[in-house]
Amino acid sequence: GEDVEQSLFLSVREGDSSVINCTYTDSSSTYLYWYKQEPGAGLQLLTYIFSNMDMKQDQRLTVLLNKKDKHLSLRIADTQTGDSAIYFCAPGRGATNKLIFGTGTLLAVQP
Amino acid sequence: GAVVSQHPSWVICKSGTSVKIECRSLDFQATTMFWYRQFPKQSLMLMATSNEGSKATYEQGVEKDKFLINHASLTLSTLTVTSAHPEDSSFYICSAVGASGRAGTDTQYFGPGTRLTVL
Repeated sequence: GEDVEQSLFLSVREGDSSVINCTYTDSSSTYLYWYKQEPGAGLQLLTYIFSNMDMKQDQRLTVLLNKKDKHLSLRIADTQTGDSAIYFCAPGRGATNKLIFGTGTLLAVQP
Repeated sequence: GAVVSQHPSWVICKSGTSVKIECRSLDFQATTMFWYRQFPKQSLMLMATSNEGSKATYEQGVEKDKFLINHASLTLSTLTVTSAHPEDSSFYICSAVGASGRAGTDTQYFGPGTRLTVL
C-alpha cells in the first residue's frame, strides 16, 4: 500500500521559516494536500497542489512538489505561535481522490 | 463556505451500547463522505467511503457490521458504532467532498471530530 512519511517534530523560533517535508510512494496522485490539525480539533485544509505543478504559493505558504523524487514540502514564512499544530501531508489517490495521510509533523513555534 | 459539522462533539457510553455520530455538510451538497478514526498522537486511518444512496465501501480490516454507515441525503452521513467496547474509543472524523467546480476539485473538507469514550 501507499506509504506517506513525514518527520515527527519540528521546532522553530517565531518569525523564522518552517519547512515540513513529506515523501510518498504512489506516483498516481492528481492532487496533494496539506492539512493542519490543532489539539482536539478536526483538520483544516491549508493548501493543495496539482500534480503537474512544481510550486504553488499562497500567502505565507509555499508548496514544492518534486514528482521524480516523490517529495512534497510545505514552507511557512514568518512562522507565528498560532501556527503551532500538527501538519499532515495527504496525497489523493484513485477516482474518489481517497486521501492517504502521512504520519503528521508536530510544529512547535517558540516565542 | 465548505463547512462540515459533526454531532456530537464528544460522547461517553457504556460498553455494549450503540452510538450514532452525524456528519453534515452545511453549505454544500456532498456526493461522497469519508469516515476516519484517529488514535492519540497518530495519523488518520480511513475507515470507509460513503456515497449518497449506495452502500458504503469499507477499508480492509474495518468491520462493516460494527461500524454502520448510512448516507441518506447529500448533506448527511451517519456512523453508528454498534455494541461499543473500550477498544472502540477514539476520535472519529468525517470529511465531505463537494460537487466539481469547487476549488481543488474533489477536495475533502473535514468536520471537527467526535471523541468517543467507551467505559
